[in-house]
Amino acid sequence: QAGLTQPPSVSQDLRQTATLTCIGNSNNVGSQGVAWLQQHQGHPPKLLSYRSNNRPSGISERFSASRSGNTGFLTITGLQPEDEADYYCSAWDSSLHVWEFGGGTKLTVL
Amino acid sequence: QVQLVESGGGMVQPGRSLRLSCAASGFAFSYYGMHWVRQAPGKGLEWVAVISYSFTGSFQYYADSVKGRFTISRDNSKNTLYLQMNSLRPEDTALYYCVKESDAFDLWGRGTMVTVSS
Repeated sequence: QAGLTQPPSVSQDLRQTATLTCIGNSNNVGSQGVAWLQQHQGHPPKLLSYRSNNRPSGISERFSASRSGNTGFLTITGLQPEDEADYYCSAWDSSLHVWEFGGGTKLTVL
Repeated sequence: QVQLVESGGGMVQPGRSLRLSCAASGFAFSYYGMHWVRQAPGKGLEWVAVISYSFTGSFQYYADSVKGRFTISRDNSKNTLYLQMNSLRPEDTALYYCVKESDAFDLWGRGTMVTVSS
């Protein structure tokens, strides 16, 4: 399975903006959109956005997602200490008929 | 209360079988696709399987790593999702999450740990 590609780690200063990336292909991100999840150590993941730019109720407006071609983006503005977590992207692959996850990005808030 | 509660995990020897269950409550279980997603210790998320919600007939899809060994099923009358795991391998060791799909993976259980070791 091809999978999705995420940078292993990103660091950014408190109150600044971080942008995470997720690279797929035309069979997954490019045509099916991408979802983003946040996972704090010892807890199950939490959905932050789906179908590339939709935010579930209760998720802060500081989290916004977008897509350009085969790449998905998660932008987090006004970084807070509690944003320090692992972030995963996910997409359905319409050719392979599987869901795929990126390897995850560990976000450090400096 | 909207929740998913997994059970059935434990330690098992390679080659043996285990069946996981996931009890759903607080939502119309039969109307949603359901997934199993696993996470090996210290590793990332790995999708395992999905079962559809369709009343006209269900479909199931599997990750290549478990195809032919694992079977996902559901009992809508009991609001319960299952994962039958056969021919278990050490690399199947992970925390197994039950996940509801409405808008992507929108509701997760707390997981049940499976350890495959001799």
